Amino acid sequence: DSGVTQTPKHLITATGQRVTLRCSPRSGDLSVYWYQQSLDQGLQFLIQYYNGEERAKGNILERFSAQQFPDLHSELNLSSLELGDSALYFCASSVQGYSGNTIYFGEGSWLTVV
Amino acid sequence: DAKTTQPTSMDCAEGRAANLPCNHSTISGNEYVYWYRQIHSQGPQYIIHGLKNNETNEMASLIITEDRKSSTLILPHATLRDTAVYYCIVRATISNFGNEKLTFGTGTRLTIIP
Repeated sequence: DSGVTQTPKHLITATGQRVTLRCSPRSGDLSVYWYQQSLDQGLQFLIQYYNGEERAKGNILERFSAQQFPDLHSELNLSSLELGDSALYFCASSVQGYSGNTIYFGEGSWLTVV
Repeated sequence: DAKTTQPTSMDCAEGRAANLPCNHSTISGNEYVYWYRQIHSQGPQYIIHGLKNNETNEMASLIITEDRKSSTLILPHATLRDTAVYYCIVRATISNFGNEKLTFGTGTRLTIIP
């Protein structure tokens, strides 16, 4: 158990809908990262937050957004969902946003868009 | 981040040492070598990391060549539960905004044979 908690574990929704994925980082971790893993692609970095502020952005679609709240939990919002958004979404956290600290991953949220 | 090259797949007999190579010939002096693994769609699991000295923990050993252009992850007594995709990742030691993330390649699919 990495200490990073993600909910829901599984989610099935229809095209055009909006969903929110939630992540609770490890206790004391200030930095949160979101990754997407679809069948035909590897682990793709989406976005990073550090202590409530956006710190880095990867290949995140405009239909997707994220935020980190004062209690440090984070949410990834996916809207106008398409079939191709079906994927595993991982949240990860580290103590601080610098490279000396290990990043720990949650078990992911499986999103199926039908 | 420097790119890494790993074999696509490897087999290892149960109980033997699994040696997973990684080439990172363009690594710079201020970059770590990290290893993660992903067991069948679970969240990536941190294994070990190092800068230039060999490292050992309860999971594995990491051998980094003197010129730092390649490394080997060693699982000393492989078990069936070690079957996974193993990722070698190079990551900056000094934080600049946006470089703390992990950039995953395609990794090595390690299969432990009974």
